[in-house]
Amino acid sequence: DTGVSQDPRHKITKRGQNVTFRCDPISEHNRLYWYRQTLGQGPEFLTYFQNEAQLEKSRLLSDRFSAERPKGSFSTLEIQRTEQGDSAMYLCASSWRGDKTNTGELFFGEGSRLTVL
Amino acid sequence: EDQVTQSPEALRLQEGESSSLNCSYTVSGLRGLFWYRQDPGKGPEFLFTLYSAGEEKEKERLKATLTKKESFLHITAPKPEDSATYLCAVRHNTDKLIFGTGTRLQVFP
Repeated sequence: DTGVSQDPRHKITKRGQNVTFRCDPISEHNRLYWYRQTLGQGPEFLTYFQNEAQLEKSRLLSDRFSAERPKGSFSTLEIQRTEQGDSAMYLCASSWRGDKTNTGELFFGEGSRLTVL
Repeated sequence: EDQVTQSPEALRLQEGESSSLNCSYTVSGLRGLFWYRQDPGKGPEFLFTLYSAGEEKEKERLKATLTKKESFLHITAPKPEDSATYLCAVRHNTDKLIFGTGTRLQVFP
């Protein structure tokens, strides 16, 4: 396994358009996280899944944002009616959460950079 | 509310000049403190996890230590390839990580 994969790596769009990002986690990982990072800031939590269940959403995740993980494998993050303030790096991470094993490390992908014009 | 503060924001070192980065935290019940390295335009790369005060971990020129209120990332004899942003994070009780804003390290030859 080569790690967490994200697609596309870069996306430039016009304000008002919809965009979708895809994340493929490390294959044996059951947890998947989405973070957003702007220049000079640390990653900010958006949401996470355990298998196909979305367990937590940040208040940063407005109703224009929706995330899915339909079969507990890959995930998509869709932003509707994009705004210039949505310009950021969108990071996906995965981890393994077992009944007895939960070391907590997240393994990140390379990110999807969104620019809204 | 869980909070992570990193200092300094930026650090410039001469090659071979050792130094330390600081991460202070407030969290209700520490369940892990994490250090990551991030290169420009890339995702964070996991370095260390520390779980309890007094714990130390090392990797090449990096050594992470933990007290009850802060963690330090010591860099011994850094090289230019150590230049990156170093991020600290704590684990929330819902298992998400809460990150600081990072320290941007530049090492000059």
